[in-house]
Amino acid sequence: QSALTQPASVSGSPGQSITLSCSGTSSDIGRHNYVSWYRQHPGQAPQLMIYDVTKRPSGISNRFSGSKSGNTASLTISGLQAEDDAFYYCCSYTSRRVLFGGGTKVTVL
Amino acid sequence: QVVQSGAELRKPGESLKISCNVSGSRFGTYWIAWVRQMPGKGLEWLGIIYPGDSDTRYSPSFQGQVTFSAAKSINTIYLQWTSLKASDTGIYYCATLFLDPEAFDNWGQGTLVTVSS
Repeated sequence: QSALTQPASVSGSPGQSITLSCSGTSSDIGRHNYVSWYRQHPGQAPQLMIYDVTKRPSGISNRFSGSKSGNTASLTISGLQAEDDAFYYCCSYTSRRVLFGGGTKVTVL
Repeated sequence: QVVQSGAELRKPGESLKISCNVSGSRFGTYWIAWVRQMPGKGLEWLGIIYPGDSDTRYSPSFQGQVTFSAAKSINTIYLQWTSLKASDTGIYYCATLFLDPEAFDNWGQGTLVTVSS
């Protein structure tokens, strides 16, 4: 099964809001509410930012929010900050396995 | 806290076992995943293990290529290869699914595995 589809790059200026998309199918994103998002800075391990489509783990800023419509999930980052410059991966459960997206590089201009 | 074993360099055809230690008294009560990141690439799910009874689920892409095991008494899980290939080169992360059964909430620092002749 193919990975989830994410745009290769998204950019924004400090203070702006950006939205990252993650496209799947009716077998993964469209069927389950098990979508999560991870942020990864160079040379570091990924960090959980959003899980179960909309939930934020303790300690994650409310600048991060998740949503889903049909087979597409989205991560919105509001009030863009320098520390948001990183790779972001979406993830979805499907048929007893897990799929990741190819990743989106967010650049803070 | 999740702490993985150090970087490894092996030749093709050699075997390898890397480890992941998870601190805390509830080890064995949640699943733990293995995730690969090849050089300059994205994340790939290898599968999960439940250290409480060593139940395992493998990605079809990795079934038969790797083996997961656990030592509950020392809060440690393992990822093992019997015959490495150059294409196994990458960083291998373990990550707990403590918060939610489908969210990787606490990650190890990663183990770099390099397979080269």
